[in-house]
Amino acid sequence: DIMLTQSPLSLPVTPGEPASISCRSSQSLLHRSGYKFLDWYLHRPGQSPQLLIYLGSHRASGVPDRFSGSASDTDFALVISRVEAEDVGVYYCMQGLETPITFGQGTRLEIQ
Amino acid sequence: QLMGSGGGVVQPGTSVRLSCVGSQFPFRSYAMHWVRQAPARGLQWVASISSDRNTKSYADSVKGRFTISTDNSNNSLYLHMNSLRPDDTAIYYCETTSFYRDFDLWGQGGLVTVSS
Repeated sequence: DIMLTQSPLSLPVTPGEPASISCRSSQSLLHRSGYKFLDWYLHRPGQSPQLLIYLGSHRASGVPDRFSGSASDTDFALVISRVEAEDVGVYYCMQGLETPITFGQGTRLEIQ
Repeated sequence: QLMGSGGGVVQPGTSVRLSCVGSQFPFRSYAMHWVRQAPARGLQWVASISSDRNTKSYADSVKGRFTISTDNSNNSLYLHMNSLRPDDTAIYYCETTSFYRDFDLWGQGGLVTVSS
């Protein structure tokens, strides 16, 4: 199984400041299409998960441009350029390259 | 959108069926998934069915007990859960995605509590 390791697991941030979350895969997530099958989700309390970034670096429809993703074959990052109060929740990376589909442990972002 | 139903409090060893009905998207064109979140735990993939409905995949923890299925005639996704155990207690979400994941839609989640 592909293991995803996120860091940090807890992320206190001051509004207006940047934030970054890392996700490291135990193996390459490069598909034969040339795309990297790694997505980022935000799971707010009491809501369904929301797709933020797909294929490592593509922003999902309706997602603010303060969210961005960077990707190598095994190392991925989600960056929030300026954190806002509504960004509170748990962030997950997820690989969709092969089954079993796996998630990172989650990173809890809180506002300081 | 995806509208889920089913769930509730059930006893260990019994069965329950979760359902999701899709609307306003080409249901037959996309893969469908079930993902769960146990109390105070992270997201866990449970099962998937391919867009052509020919391939079904399961997490090891549910293989042989859970069955994913669809009814394309009424845009419905199901998860048949047998031999339920207390560690199956979770919020279960249905999800649909395009192959390259640029389309991604989640249901509202349904709570299944397995307890005697």
